[in-house]
Amino acid sequence: EAQVTQNPRYLITVTGKKLTVTCSQNMNHEYMSWYRQDPGLGLRQIYYSMNVEVTDKGDVPEGYKVSRKEKRNFPLILESPSPNQTSLYFCASRGTSGSSFLGSYNEQFFGPGTRLTVL
Amino acid sequence: AQSVTQPDIHITVSEGASLELRCNYSYGATPYLFWYVQSPGQGLQLLLKYFSGDTLVQGIKGFEAEFKRSQSSFNLRKPSVHWSDAAEYFCAVGHTNAGKSTFGEGTTLTVKP
Repeated sequence: EAQVTQNPRYLITVTGKKLTVTCSQNMNHEYMSWYRQDPGLGLRQIYYSMNVEVTDKGDVPEGYKVSRKEKRNFPLILESPSPNQTSLYFCASRGTSGSSFLGSYNEQFFGPGTRLTVL
Repeated sequence: AQSVTQPDIHITVSEGASLELRCNYSYGATPYLFWYVQSPGQGLQLLLKYFSGDTLVQGIKGFEAEFKRSQSSFNLRKPSVHWSDAAEYFCAVGHTNAGKSTFGEGTTLTVKP
């Protein structure tokens, strides 16, 4: 089954304790992205990756790191979590169609979400 | 800077009634526009998208949206709402930098029996 998986689904941690949220897709998609969802703010993009070893900042990258060593995986790293990073996090992936620019706007597939609480 | 605004935080409609969810965008070039739906406890699913051409686009689950450049709007409509349509709906704009996406704040739809 084609899917985006995230682990863990729920995580409660304390301020300053490094954590990693994993994201994996089995659709051979080039593009992957991380979002956080907060009430009243919708989804805000944290980081995205257009391909292996290619990452770039979204709108709210502060306090986060990512890496893209393999095509299927795109982990989100919080080196020193703080309470303002308590949120619902979504990973997404998207394939691209040939050389068409519009192919870059194929449907994004979202993971089920990771609810993170930082105390 | 590009932005997306969904003026209605929460909308309640009766089952069988028509629905319109508003979306306004601010973008310097031709926008690529999307509507997503998020059911409770789930990830997001694409309902429809607009790139160019016909300004009325059809999506899944009986939804449609109309792009109006003069009003900078991309409103989502459905002629007859079903109880299963209760969810949160997000409008989004894609950028000429194909990696970036900007989402609106979301509109929560409640369907009354």
